[in-house]
Amino acid sequence: GIQVEQSPPDLILQEGANSTLRCNFSDSVNNLQWFHQNPWGQLINLFYIPSGTKQNGRLSATTVATERYSLLYISSSQTTDSGVYFCAVRQGSARQLTFGSGTQLTVLP
Amino acid sequence: EPEVTQTPSHQVTQMGQEVILRCVPISNHLYFYWYRQILGQKVEFLVSFYNNEISEKSEIFDDQFSVERPDGSNFTLKIRSTKLEDSAMYFCASSERQGTMSYEQYFGPGTRLTVT
Repeated sequence: GIQVEQSPPDLILQEGANSTLRCNFSDSVNNLQWFHQNPWGQLINLFYIPSGTKQNGRLSATTVATERYSLLYISSSQTTDSGVYFCAVRQGSARQLTFGSGTQLTVLP
Repeated sequence: EPEVTQTPSHQVTQMGQEVILRCVPISNHLYFYWYRQILGQKVEFLVSFYNNEISEKSEIFDDQFSVERPDGSNFTLKIRSTKLEDSAMYFCASSERQGTMSYEQYFGPGTRLTVT
């Protein structure tokens, strides 16, 4: 099956700093989604981005499907950004999303 | 903006008991999913459901699990006889379409199941 690798596994930032999270995948995909899992375990939909660039406030994402990677940018980070960020992909006619292992982000005040 | 909702947010049950986790998908969506995340691990696919039938399931989804759309709005996951290793976050998702075209799966916030 498809492999999804996220980096870095852990990231500690000071409030106000910017960060880039990366998601590499091993095969062509027709769906890529980014999620934020908050400290209570809830999964929050961030972006649906099989290709191109999207922005939502301080967050933006870019997927370069031909090179099999996606980037999530967080600018001016806040303590509420802390949690785990997951990338998930779907290929072909598969119904399931395959998740990466996530990046654990900690934003310090 | 429409969203997927799940109830309860946290459920505690004793080993061997049956539990039903409930989800209300987005109203015009026809395709439904359950995923599971054991603490500290990846989110894993359990099952996909369409037109009152399971369309795909993983090896995790064994005979102790079942899914149902009991009415026009709810989608449920039943675990017949819970085990300690069923303790996890369970996420429901829905989508407007399936197939080879690109589409988004909308996830609910999850139900934390604790089996004691």
